[in-house]
Amino acid sequence: DIQLTQSPSFLSESIGGRVTITCRASQGISTHLGWYQQKPGKAPKLLIYAASTLQAGVPSRFSGSGSGTEFTLTINRLQPEDFTTYYCQQRSSYPVTFGGGTKVEMK
Amino acid sequence: EVQLVESGGGLVQPGGSLRLSCAASGFTFSDYYMDWVRQAPGKGLEWLGRVRNKANAYTTEYATSVKGRISISRDDSHNLLFLQMNSLKIDDAAVYYCTRPNNNYYMDIWGKGTTVTVSS
Repeated sequence: DIQLTQSPSFLSESIGGRVTITCRASQGISTHLGWYQQKPGKAPKLLIYAASTLQAGVPSRFSGSGSGTEFTLTINRLQPEDFTTYYCQQRSSYPVTFGGGTKVEMK
Repeated sequence: EVQLVESGGGLVQPGGSLRLSCAASGFTFSDYYMDWVRQAPGKGLEWLGRVRNKANAYTTEYATSVKGRISISRDDSHNLLFLQMNSLKIDDAAVYYCTRPNNNYYMDIWGKGTTVTVSS
């Protein structure tokens, strides 16, 4: 199975700031990576797929990059609704796997 | 409106079985692959498995952690997805989500989830 390691597990930033979350794969996965946002008590929401393609309706302050084994999710101009948990997910090979999650907290 | 609604959660004894259902609406269910994902309390997301569409012979894929204990199936005539899980353990307690992978195989539609509790 492909392991996805997210870092950091927690981070604090202020409203209006910028955060970068990293997802590292245990083997190369090309650009077969997605990012999800999950708010407490809610189902996850797809933000980005194919490493850098913004899902329809997702604000442009979210962006993704990377290929191979290292990927990043960047959130610019943090808004109050962005303080929640984010997961990466690979679909390069079965089984599909998720990263362990990164919680973004308000400083 | 595109919608997935899970049902069938509840209290199950260790060693027991569960069968969850997911009712799909608002899209052509038969065209899509469908997945199950779960989330234990306070933990991350865990993909459980996938059933492909008829064009791909309804074949399935499962997570290593649950392979042999689960079966995913579908009824396209009623727009229903199913998850059968056997030999339940305490660690199987979770919210179980039904999801739809989009044409790029990323999960773009999620149900609200159904909660399974495993306890004697």
